[in-house]
Amino acid sequence: EDQVTQSPEALRLQEGESSSLNCSYTVSGLRGLFWYRQDPGKGPEFLFTLYSAGEEKEKERLKATLTKKESFLHITAPKPEDSATYLCAVSAGTASKLTFGTGTRLQVTL
Amino acid sequence: EPEVTQTPSHQVTQMGQEVILRCVPISNHLYFYWYRQILGQKVEFLVSFYNNEISEKSEIFDDQFSVERPDGSNFTLKIRSTKLEDSAMYFCASSEVGRQDTQYFGPGTRLTVL
Repeated sequence: EDQVTQSPEALRLQEGESSSLNCSYTVSGLRGLFWYRQDPGKGPEFLFTLYSAGEEKEKERLKATLTKKESFLHITAPKPEDSATYLCAVSAGTASKLTFGTGTRLQVTL
Repeated sequence: EPEVTQTPSHQVTQMGQEVILRCVPISNHLYFYWYRQILGQKVEFLVSFYNNEISEKSEIFDDQFSVERPDGSNFTLKIRSTKLEDSAMYFCASSEVGRQDTQYFGPGTRLTVL
């Protein structure tokens, strides 16, 4: 069974304080690893897709990286508007269904 | 920018009643999905749909659930006889041919079963 574990569960940063979120996964035949942002009461908002170890993607203050066992979402100089829950998900084998982790709840304060 | 839309945003129903949740996927997408998220828990896959048939379904998607694409734009999830434990946020998602793994989610329908 595919498993996705995210850490930490919650993270509180001051504005400008960079950090990383972790997503470790156990799947048989990774197709892709995905990062989403979810605001309270809203649907997941797509951020990145990573397909192979060593791949990196960037968008504004966010950078996602992938190894054979885990992915990191690096947040550089975060702002309060980056506060959200960040979800990691994987697809595996021949299926395109996504298996999600429980998320990291990020709060960025002034 | 194209978006997945869902209606209603909030549905309240009595246990045992039927509900239909509606979704309009992004217009050039041909893969459709339903997920649910019980309050405080992770997002869970329910079903995927392509070429007018179910591609895959989870254990949650039992005989009480069905999906349909009644016309060229809508995609629906029907729950025949709702239970208290069906209370959750239901998200529709869609993806395009050739990039079906990258799924775009709608804002969700909050279903409350009393």
